[in-house]
Amino acid sequence: EAGVAQSPRYKIIEKRQSVAFWCNPISGHATLYWYQQILGQGPKLLIQFQNNGVVDDSQLPKDRFSAERLKGVDSTLKIQPAKLEDSAVYLCASTPGGDLTIGQFFGPGTRLTVL
Amino acid sequence: AQSVTQPDIHITVSEGASLELRCNYSYGATPYLFWYVQSPGQGLQLLLKYFSGDTLVQGIKGFEAEFKRSQSSFNLRKPSVHWSDAAEYFCAVEGSGTYKYIFGTGTRLKVLA
Repeated sequence: EAGVAQSPRYKIIEKRQSVAFWCNPISGHATLYWYQQILGQGPKLLIQFQNNGVVDDSQLPKDRFSAERLKGVDSTLKIQPAKLEDSAVYLCASTPGGDLTIGQFFGPGTRLTVL
Repeated sequence: AQSVTQPDIHITVSEGASLELRCNYSYGATPYLFWYVQSPGQGLQLLLKYFSGDTLVQGIKGFEAEFKRSQSSFNLRKPSVHWSDAAEYFCAVEGSGTYKYIFGTGTRLKVLA
């Protein structure tokens, strides 16, 4: 079974530029999550999708961050414009959605550096 | 509000020694509890989970954890640490059927040869 795929793995941009990350969850997984993990901290949930609908985006800085999952499969997370404090690893995770006990499956993450 | 606390930011143990990583949670009912491990440059991997039943759960790589309701704790243990266990460990809680997971700040484990 293929795992959660993310690209790119690394990205370096200047502040005020825009950037996009892509995630392809495990096939059949209805729930998809984007997390931000700042160095030395635990993952912080940015947005949670159930199929192509948003379940929770309460911690997403909506003035600069956006995310979509148009067909209920893969997803993109965009930052525009980026700030220095956006430097972090962006993790994508997925779950089947019907079984709370399975836990989440994580991708390798995208490390973003904003200069 | 749900929360997870991992009191130890860094822990150093010698190879072959026993290990206990602490996790305390705050939640009104019995939550689903998880431990994840993150090796450098990698995503998080599930070590073990608790949702009901036996309060001592076994996981992968020889890890176990014990759920103690009275102490609101879910500590991770391993009887003999290997050098390859050096990584960062995260405790997480999910509750209320929201499929929403809250992570602790992590404990970084260093293993001395």
